[in-house]
Amino acid sequence: GENVEQHPSTLSVQEGDSAVIKCTYSDSASNYFPWYKQELGKRPQLIIDIRSNVGEKKDQRIAVTLNKTAKHFSLHITETQPEDSAVYFCAGTFQTGANNLFFGTGTRLTVIP
Amino acid sequence: GAVVSQHPSWVICKSGTSVKIECRSLDFQATTMFWYRQFPKQSLMLMATSNEGSKATYEQGVEKDKFLINHASLTLSTLTVTSAHPEDSSFYICSARPTGRQSYGYTFGSGTRLTVV
Repeated sequence: GENVEQHPSTLSVQEGDSAVIKCTYSDSASNYFPWYKQELGKRPQLIIDIRSNVGEKKDQRIAVTLNKTAKHFSLHITETQPEDSAVYFCAGTFQTGANNLFFGTGTRLTVIP
Repeated sequence: GAVVSQHPSWVICKSGTSVKIECRSLDFQATTMFWYRQFPKQSLMLMATSNEGSKATYEQGVEKDKFLINHASLTLSTLTVTSAHPEDSSFYICSARPTGRQSYGYTFGSGTRLTVV
């Protein structure tokens, strides 16, 4: 399957600071890159996604950038708040077949009040 | 829209028994659904792709005879863990996306926490 690497595995920031999480993928045909937020024991929630024909997308305090040439994409959270604390997963899909979602290893974000 | 319902939310079973987990798309049709397994503090690992009316596609290392998948309708996929053992204890979660709606993201069910004792 698709190989999606995610860094860092843990990230602590002070409230109000920015957080950046980076992912790389191996399949150059991948064309859809969502980011999910998962709180303990709950389902992953889609927070933002980007498609391969777009380089950047922003939704309030959250933004995602995509570099198709380098095969990496990043999540940016600005003005972090304690409720942003969770595990964040990036994901990517194969272009062909069922477009399965393959997940990165996750980043545990802690926002310190 | 695009709601996925999963049941049960948790189940405890004895070693050697089988457990069935249901995944339903409530307000859309899905010819394809996906089953994931998540161990504590780990990522979601794709187990198999469930295809309506045909056989599921399993990822490498996933035993198809142990994890039986049935996708008999456009709104329901089931995962049966057969002859469960303690090492099968995990969080199982399904996801789906409306058929033909490439602009929609994938929606996840609420997950099933399986504990085998």
